[in-house]
Amino acid sequence: QSVLTQPPSVSGAPGQTVTISCTGSSSNIGASSDVHWYQQLPGTAPRLLIYANTNRPSGVPDRFSGSKSGTSASLAITGLQAEDEADYYCQSYDNGVSGWVFGGGTKLTVL
Amino acid sequence: EVQLVESGGGLVQPGGSLRLSCAASGFTFSSYAMSWVRQAPGKGLEWASVIINNGGDTFYADSVKGRFTISRDNSKNTLYLQMNSLGADDTAVYYCAKFRGVMMTEWYFDLWGRGTLVTVSS
Repeated sequence: QSVLTQPPSVSGAPGQTVTISCTGSSSNIGASSDVHWYQQLPGTAPRLLIYANTNRPSGVPDRFSGSKSGTSASLAITGLQAEDEADYYCQSYDNGVSGWVFGGGTKLTVL
Repeated sequence: EVQLVESGGGLVQPGGSLRLSCAASGFTFSSYAMSWVRQAPGKGLEWASVIINNGGDTFYADSVKGRFTISRDNSKNTLYLQMNSLGADDTAVYYCAKFRGVMMTEWYFDLWGRGTLVTVSS
């Protein structure tokens, strides 16, 4: 059971918009810890997608955006493309476990 | 080129030990906290351990505390993970990752290695 909760899977057709939620608690996201997002393409290492809730590293398309409110955060992907098919993970810091925690991951399928 | 390259993975028997290494290049290694993150086959990501930039402080997930030791040699730009008393639950790909951020509550992994597979089995 992950400290951060994500839906196991989401799907969408090319060109559509999908949103992946990340639900935490008062010991992590609700305690003002930043939320970050990673993309893991099949068979590869994770790569940073969004940092500090809303920021994109250079090289990440602006189709990817992040938001945070209360004890939750979301990753939105607009203009869905076949190459976006991957696993997506949220991450934050948790005061309760005194460590860095990940969501269980969400598998995105592009129909 | 900015990169992290892990090595040292392999097959080890239950109760055995293994030492992982991570060679860093392309950035000032001694300026950043470094971490190990693992991923069991078909499972999600799990943070395992972190060491601050000068090696003066370390942190561990409860699942590895007392069995794993993280260390670094800034003169060699290398991160290590000594793993003892290994069990089947430790079977995973182990990623070396560079931390970025000011306060711990802001830290995120901005650079990842390709990982090294550790298999614990008799």
